[in-house]
Amino acid sequence: GAVVSQHPSRVICKSGTSVKIECRSLDFQATTMFWYRQFPKKSLMLMATSNEGSKATYEQGVEKDKFLINHASLTLSTLTVTSAHPEDSSFYICSSLPLAGEGPRETQYFGPGTRLLVL
Amino acid sequence: RKEVEQDPGPFNVPEGATVAFNCTYSNSASQSFFWYRQDCRKEPKLLMSVYSSGNEDGRFTAQLNRASQYISLLIRDSKLSDSATYLCVVTPLPGGYNKLIFGAGTRLAVHP
Repeated sequence: GAVVSQHPSRVICKSGTSVKIECRSLDFQATTMFWYRQFPKKSLMLMATSNEGSKATYEQGVEKDKFLINHASLTLSTLTVTSAHPEDSSFYICSSLPLAGEGPRETQYFGPGTRLLVL
Repeated sequence: RKEVEQDPGPFNVPEGATVAFNCTYSNSASQSFFWYRQDCRKEPKLLMSVYSSGNEDGRFTAQLNRASQYISLLIRDSKLSDSATYLCVVTPLPGGYNKLIFGAGTRLAVHP
């Protein structure tokens, strides 16, 4: 089946630093990747939709200057949490939507997630 | 009102029991419906899609009632390995955008 990787799997950082999370589709190409955030015992919340070669589309309430998204190739999207603060501590999950013909329609493949702890 | 609402549970059931989860969604224009399973500290995994005609996959049966904006998941003969959080998910737009809206999940604990 389709595989999506995320790196790092967990990160601990000091308040004020920036953290970059990578999301890679390993065996398929994806023009669209999604970034979610999940707080403990809460639902996954879509943060933004990342489109290869264009600017990301952010959901209401998500600061685009705080969460920088770059989707430079069909297999890689990155999320950078800038000037991280303790309230940014969360589980960040990406998903990839295969190109037409590379997988079942509408099926998103999720990465294993990145657990961020900001001290 | 939340876009997707679920009973958070937890549902504590013995092995072999039948358990049903319910979900309601607020956007009548929602197009696609899914049940995902999420294990503790892991990513969600697609369990099954949900169709108006209902669909079954082994011990799992999903139903959709568009008129009531209601989705259900029935698990028969529960196994210990079924213990997880079950997420009700809808796609509000047809095709293209594929934005997934997740419910907060219903936790299931199956005990011996």
